[in-house]
Amino acid sequence: SQQGEEDPQALSIQEGENATMNCSYKTSINNLQWYRQNSGRGLVHLILIRSNEREKHSGRLRVTLDTSKKSSSLLITASRAADTASYFCATDKKGDYKLSFGAGTTVTVRA
Amino acid sequence: DSGVTQTPKHLITATGQRVTLRCSPRSGDLSVYWYQQSLDQGLQFLIHYYNGEERAKGNILERFSAQQFPDLHSELNLSSLELGDSALYFCASSVGGSSIYGYTFGSGTRLTVV
Repeated sequence: SQQGEEDPQALSIQEGENATMNCSYKTSINNLQWYRQNSGRGLVHLILIRSNEREKHSGRLRVTLDTSKKSSSLLITASRAADTASYFCATDKKGDYKLSFGAGTTVTVRA
Repeated sequence: DSGVTQTPKHLITATGQRVTLRCSPRSGDLSVYWYQQSLDQGLQFLIHYYNGEERAKGNILERFSAQQFPDLHSELNLSSLELGDSALYFCASSVGGSSIYGYTFGSGTRLTVV
């Protein structure tokens, strides 16, 4: 079963708006990462947040992590058409050596 | 170009056949991970190799096997193929044996079993 689950499954926004998606996971983690996948392409690493961090920024991306609730959120500000993609959270469980991916949120940015 | 090379990009084969997917990791990366992506199962971890040795196994069927060679490239062998094996197969690499620096993914091999 998936370690992380994203919510919502799909999101449609207007260009310039912000997009927020959430990820919940089940067990203690070393770190949580977000990846982007354009249709049928490989995944691209966006940002990593360690379990002892609460918030991280990278350009127009903001990630938060709440380990007490076992959840994370990814905010994309001032969205662009090029942000249209699927976004996946991935967790690295304590004692594990691999990333487990959620089912993803599909984001469509309308021009 | 991510630096991770996967070949072939597309593969169409018949049920019962055997195929080999190849992955060359990014220069300097010692770890290779294989994932299967399908519409119903999402991204499923198959296997992880670090510097030639198997580090972890996931939901990999007995019909599937993999190895990492001394030059660090990896091959995923899929045999006795079934229709349900149709999927995107991704290889990813990382510099160490953990995910702390993130993974770099290849563009995948799309396998269609007919």
